[in-house]
Amino acid sequence: EADIYQTPRYLVIGTGKKITLECSQTMGHDKMYWYQQDPGMELHLIHYSYGVNSTEKGDLSSESTVSRIRTEHFPLTLESARPSHTSQYLCASSVSSYEQYFGPGTRLTVT
Amino acid sequence: KQEVTQIPAALSVPEGENLVLNCSFTDSAIYNLQWFRQDPGKGLTSLLLIQSSQREQTSGRLNASLDKSSGRSTLYIAASQPGDSATYLCAVERQTGANNLFFGTGTRLTVIP
Repeated sequence: EADIYQTPRYLVIGTGKKITLECSQTMGHDKMYWYQQDPGMELHLIHYSYGVNSTEKGDLSSESTVSRIRTEHFPLTLESARPSHTSQYLCASSVSSYEQYFGPGTRLTVT
Repeated sequence: KQEVTQIPAALSVPEGENLVLNCSFTDSAIYNLQWFRQDPGKGLTSLLLIQSSQREQTSGRLNASLDKSSGRSTLYIAASQPGDSATYLCAVERQTGANNLFFGTGTRLTVIP
């Protein structure tokens, strides 16, 4: 079983609030990813990191930001949440071109 | 741009039946292809990974094949069980850029007891 964790699992928050979604892995993987998945839709990459102090935007434009200060930790932040940010956010990690392991996801609802 | 298509979108079968899920992709420049299972409201569980140089992988009742030149993969599930009910996602990892996965929309499988 993959050792990748996400908190919170569920979050309901009001418009305008700042939120941070946590993702951590204990496998020592260099690569980490954030995907966004709307109900019934494909997953789309919004951020990725090749290692400490390396972050890049993914294919899907997102108002969120990420940081990678430690190998095991890859948090995602929304400075001001809006209803359009309501979605499921999935974190993943991998070693180069090998299997990607996914966390359980955070289901975010912005009211 | 890589596009991944999965058919059918939904499938219902009686318990015990063998079944095949299909995945096609438009750009054959891939590192690997991965099949995942997603249960409602949950994350993804990796089922099988096929490297671009491989033709198939097997795990228990699951067998996945890859034909990179034609941009196709199949996931074969033998002797289906109600516990197999889930959405099955196919994803390809591209060779350039972020090495991220491009996902299909999945096939929602229901195995009827």
